[in-house]
Amino acid sequence: DVKVTQSSRYLVKRTGEKVFLECVQDMDHENMFWYRQDPGLGLRLIYFSYDVKMKEKGDIPEGYSVSREKKERFSLILESASTNQTSMYLCASTGGSGSPGANVLTFGAGSRLTVL
Amino acid sequence: AQSVTQLDSQVPVFEEAPVELRCNYSSSVSVYLFWYVQYPNQGLQLLLKYLSGSTLVKGINGFEAEFNKSQTSFHLRKPSVHISDTAEYFCAVCPGNTGKLIFGQGTTLQVKP
Repeated sequence: DVKVTQSSRYLVKRTGEKVFLECVQDMDHENMFWYRQDPGLGLRLIYFSYDVKMKEKGDIPEGYSVSREKKERFSLILESASTNQTSMYLCASTGGSGSPGANVLTFGAGSRLTVL
Repeated sequence: AQSVTQLDSQVPVFEEAPVELRCNYSSSVSVYLFWYVQYPNQGLQLLLKYLSGSTLVKGINGFEAEFNKSQTSFHLRKPSVHISDTAEYFCAVCPGNTGKLIFGQGTTLQVKP
């Protein structure tokens, strides 16, 4: 089974701090995604990546950046955390177009970030 | 642009009763359709998917969904729910072969004894 691991389940940070959320997948998936989950809003796509060193903006990229230096790792960065970034962050991955399981996301357990 | 609407934010139901969670979508291109479940303090887990073929799709834990192209709907059903089905359920669409899923707002299923 595909495993997507998010390094931190719970984080508490202060306004203005730089925050790194790490995500690693172990099935050689080409595509990786970062979503933000808020009550009543469902999941909203922040950034995604179809390949190493590639990144594309999702629907709500403001205040975030990402890094994909290796195929298995996709990091979400909050350059200067703000209270409105308090949320649950979910990482997901999927195989590339034409591969088995393409378009079927496998999610990590989530990282709940609180910004004070 | 694509969008997904889950018509009920909360669905309370008694144990062993049937349930239907409603999902409608809009898209100008063909889509793949998914239902995911999220148990408390966990990530999302795939329940079922429609990629092509039969419009009635069976998933895990006794759930099924029917793709209705004319109604642009993908409602999730279970004939008899258990307490353990209490969770949040998300409907999602993927336009074409992009891998980018668009999610609905979620429906909380509350199964009462």
